[in-house]
Amino acid sequence: DADVTQTPRNRITKTGKRIMLECSQTKGHDRMYWYRQDPGLGLRLIYYSFDVKDINKGEISDGYSVSRQAQAKFSLSLESAIPNQTALYFCATSLAGVTNEQFFGPGTRLTVL
Amino acid sequence: GQQLNQSPQSMFIQEGEDVSMNCTSSSIFNTWLWYKQDPGEGPVLLIALYKAGELTSNGRLTAQFGITRKDSFLNISASIPSDVGIYFCAGQLQGGGADGLTFGKGTHLIIQP
Repeated sequence: DADVTQTPRNRITKTGKRIMLECSQTKGHDRMYWYRQDPGLGLRLIYYSFDVKDINKGEISDGYSVSRQAQAKFSLSLESAIPNQTALYFCATSLAGVTNEQFFGPGTRLTVL
Repeated sequence: GQQLNQSPQSMFIQEGEDVSMNCTSSSIFNTWLWYKQDPGEGPVLLIALYKAGELTSNGRLTAQFGITRKDSFLNISASIPSDVGIYFCAGQLQGGGADGLTFGKGTHLIIQP
């Protein structure tokens, strides 16, 4: 089945460390997104990419950076992790020009101590 | 920030009961989507709505795109234990482009035996 995968699924790190979360998809979708989920706050958009050469900031991009290495790969980096970046992180994909439907990966639970 | 008001925040029901939840906004949406999230997993798309007044079913689930384009509801009939989870509404704002969806904060559905 065409899918969205995320690695790692769980990560514990310390304040100040650099962390990279990775997302891969086999859906053939051109658009990819990174969201953050916090209890009681729903899902908030961090960054999105329409294609390999197009990167855009979302609602809460401060403290994060992204790289679109290929159509199928979109990684999220925390250059210097801080405790309030502890959250669930989700990658999502969608197909341009068809619908607004987004398909989510299983998530990465990140804890910053 | 969040522009969708999703209610109720949580629901405690008996197996077999019908469930109703809704999302409202002061803004106009072009698309309404309903997702379900199980513990430890990413949101899974249940129903997508694209036209005002549209009523769409997926098994025991029925969702409607409000006539004013500012609201949507989701009904679940004859609830079963596997319906437990968090339900999110999400919308694409009119004129919002493809920069991601706006999510409600979720409705926690808990089914008591």
